[in-house]
This record gives sequence, C-alpha cells and structure tokens, in this order.
Amino acid sequence: AQSVAQPEDQVNVAEGNPLTVKCTYSVSGNPYLFWYVQYPNRGLQFLLKYITGDNLVKGSYGFEAEFNKSQTSFHLKKPSALVSDSALYFCAVRDMIPGGSYIPTFGRGTSLIVHP
Amino acid sequence: EAGVAQSPRYKIIEKRQSVAFWCNPISGHATLYWYQQILGQGPKLLIQFQNNGVVDDSQLPKDRFSAERLKGVDSTLKIQPAKLEDSAVYLCASSPRDFPRSTDTQYFGPGTRLTVL
Repeated sequence: AQSVAQPEDQVNVAEGNPLTVKCTYSVSGNPYLFWYVQYPNRGLQFLLKYITGDNLVKGSYGFEAEFNKSQTSFHLKKPSALVSDSALYFCAVRDMIPGGSYIPTFGRGTSLIVHP
Repeated sequence: EAGVAQSPRYKIIEKRQSVAFWCNPISGHATLYWYQQILGQGPKLLIQFQNNGVVDDSQLPKDRFSAERLKGVDSTLKIQPAKLEDSAVYLCASSPRDFPRSTDTQYFGPGTRLTVL
C-alpha cells in the first residue's frame, strides 16, 4: 500500500533563511508526487508536482522540490523564507492500487513557522 | 474563474442526526473528490467521481456515508447517522480530467467544518 511520511510536525525558520520541509513516500510503482499548502480556514492550494522528467521541480511562490528516487524523498525547499510562508504543508502521492485506481494519499502535514 | 464552492461552511449536529454537504466544482471539471480531514491529520479521500460515475469509494464508510453526483456537476455528501468521530473538515476538490491519468492538479474548496456533539 502507498504511504507518505512527513517526519516533522513543525518546522521553525527565521525570515530570510532557507527552509526545507521533508517528505518520504512508499509506493509499488512510479510515484506521482504533490505539495499543497493550507492557510487557516482555507482549502488546500497546489504548490508543485513531480510526474516525470527533471528531478528538480519549481512551483508557486518560489518553492521547489527535489525528487530523489533512491531515498524515496520529495523534500520541499525555498532559498529565502518569508513570514507569509507560515502555513500547513502537505505532501501527497498517487500510485496505482489494486483495481486500477490512483487514489491520492496525503501526509499528516507539517506546520511551517517563519519568525520575523 | 470561480473556485470550488462548498456549503455550509460550518455545521453543528447531535450524534445520530443526519447532515448533508454540497459542493459545486470548477466549471468544466470532470473529476470531483470528497475528503475527510480530521484535526491534526492529512486529508483522507472518501470518494472520487469522474463525471457522474464513481472511480473509487474504497475508503467511504458506506454504512453511514453516501455521495452522489447525479448530473456530473455538483455533488452532495451525506452522513446518516452521524457519530462523534465524524467531527472533521470535509473538503471537496475538482480537477479537469483526472482518470485514468491521475496527474492533474486538484483545486480545493474551503471545506465544511462538522462538529458532532
């Protein structure tokens, strides 16, 4: 069965410093990987995705993520954090399950707090 | 472009009562999802529709939950009867055409926060 792990419940970083939010996955085939962000009282918003091709994926708001097949990881990164980046971040994976469906599985989320 | 609409935004009910949530996806989106997000957890897929057909409902508790998308546009999720553990945010999402490719971006609505007392 597919699964996603976000090992950190919370990440704290100072504004202007680089940030990393970690994600590891387990799938039976080739994964489709996604990052979403959730602001308070709002739905999830898409940041970026890896389907195939270049392992470094660039997304919205200056975020990027690197697909590492050998480490089964898809960490989210940003070179310089902003206070407005403070939010809840979710990693998600899609892989074929018995029956042919590709249901999405989300991690439990990582709260990013950027301090001024 | 209008986003995914959901109503109501908040609902408080007593256990064993019934409740229904409504979702209107982005115009033209063929795929619609319902998720349950319990506090402190990531969203869990309950059901996925492609037009008015069900793609996957393997994680839907069918003894109490039901969902329909009769005309392939808006959708209703119902819980009957509700239990305390159903307290969660129910998210609806849509994507242009996500089956069988499964690579589409999902667009989420604001969610309905359900409290069961």
